[in-house]
Amino acid sequence: SAVISQKPSRDICQRGTSLTIQCQVDSQVTMMFWYRQQPGQSLTLIATANQGSEATYESGFVIDKFPISRPNLTFSTLTVSNMSPEDSSIYLCSVVDRGYGYTFGSGTRLTVV
Amino acid sequence: DQQVKQNSPSLSVQEGRISILNCDYTNSMFDYFLWYKKYPAEGPTFLISISSIKDKNEDGRFTVFLNKSAKHLSLHIVPSQPGDSAVYFCAATLHLSSGSARQLTFGSGTQLTVLP
Repeated sequence: SAVISQKPSRDICQRGTSLTIQCQVDSQVTMMFWYRQQPGQSLTLIATANQGSEATYESGFVIDKFPISRPNLTFSTLTVSNMSPEDSSIYLCSVVDRGYGYTFGSGTRLTVV
Repeated sequence: DQQVKQNSPSLSVQEGRISILNCDYTNSMFDYFLWYKKYPAEGPTFLISISSIKDKNEDGRFTVFLNKSAKHLSLHIVPSQPGDSAVYFCAATLHLSSGSARQLTFGSGTQLTVLP
């Protein structure tokens, strides 16, 4: 299956600042997703990262807050903008690999203080 | 509206016994179901999946059962081992007619503790 490198693995950020999370895949994949897991909660889809076009956001998530780039089939970034303590979560990228295989990165644990 | 539900937030079993984790869904369009295991500070790791055309899939100690009429699936782990202690998420998706995949919808997770 695809191998995903997600950076940073964790960060502590000041409120009002922004953090960009990178997701690098070792093979070309058609579908890339960004999820969030808030403390004690399930995984919630933020958006689908589309190669060469704007990401598709789920209800409750907007581009101004979570801008996403996907310049090619192996790389994507998620930025958490103007952070507040409520943004403290684990952020995960996921890819669909060879049909129906869904693989996840190791996650970025973000704490906003 | 929570389309995938795991009603048991936690489960404890003795080592060597069977662990049964349950999951219910409401969207009858879902046609593919997955189970993931997650340790703290790690991403979810795929365990096993099942297509809606099947009612059982087995892989080593892990078996997933699907009851479409009841919109219910379960994961059986036998025998359970202390290393199985983790949070288990069930997830569901539906596939477009083009064959391309869509995002996963996750349940809230069940913390499994296997006692030595």
